[in-house]
Amino acid sequence: NAGVTQTPKFQVLKTGQSMTLQCAQDMNHEYMSWYRQDPGMGLRLIHYSVGAGITDQGEVPNGYNVSRSTTEDFPLRLLSAAPSQTSVYFCASSRETSGGAGTGELFFGEGSRLTVL
Amino acid sequence: QKEVEQDPGPLSVPEGAIVSLNCTYSNSAFQYFMWYRQYSRKGPELLMYTYSSGNKEDGRFTAQVDKSSKYISLFIRDSQPSDSATYLCAMRGGFKTIFGAGTRLFVKA
Repeated sequence: NAGVTQTPKFQVLKTGQSMTLQCAQDMNHEYMSWYRQDPGMGLRLIHYSVGAGITDQGEVPNGYNVSRSTTEDFPLRLLSAAPSQTSVYFCASSRETSGGAGTGELFFGEGSRLTVL
Repeated sequence: QKEVEQDPGPLSVPEGAIVSLNCTYSNSAFQYFMWYRQYSRKGPELLMYTYSSGNKEDGRFTAQVDKSSKYISLFIRDSQPSDSATYLCAMRGGFKTIFGAGTRLFVKA
């Protein structure tokens, strides 16, 4: 049981390049989300999904796209990378039901460290 | 103003000390209050959660929620060097979990 798996672990991009951060979970969780973590800012929610085909914006969605075609996968796309997107990105999943009840305990991946030059 | 405010520290204490970590929040819609612990270069893990105002104990850890003041706390008794980590408060309303900045804690042997 791998839990939440993120790839790549490290990536360096040039300004304007695009890339996709991959996230997969094997716990059959309906809820998945992406956060970015910056010094002094904590974890900020980028996008989340409550099931296949359903996504919504979090606190800081600009510059990022997501889609959810399967329960297992929730990729995060950077369309045109900017230095302000240099950060550590965490994917998290939860047993959360579509009804929104429960604590929604989040299970996190190990993170993807992105540097944009 | 951020929805959740947390002093990022760092906080340095000697082994055996009682540690108090705090967060304030502004959104009355938050229903669940959680503390996550994050070790260096790892993802956060849930430490404790509470649903209503009051106290909840789990071993050396006690979580307090005061909804009237919009204030939550985590107390760590008999702190150990292995408790050295970043502690993030988190609050959930609806489908979104919002985190504080995290407090870095160092427990010196």
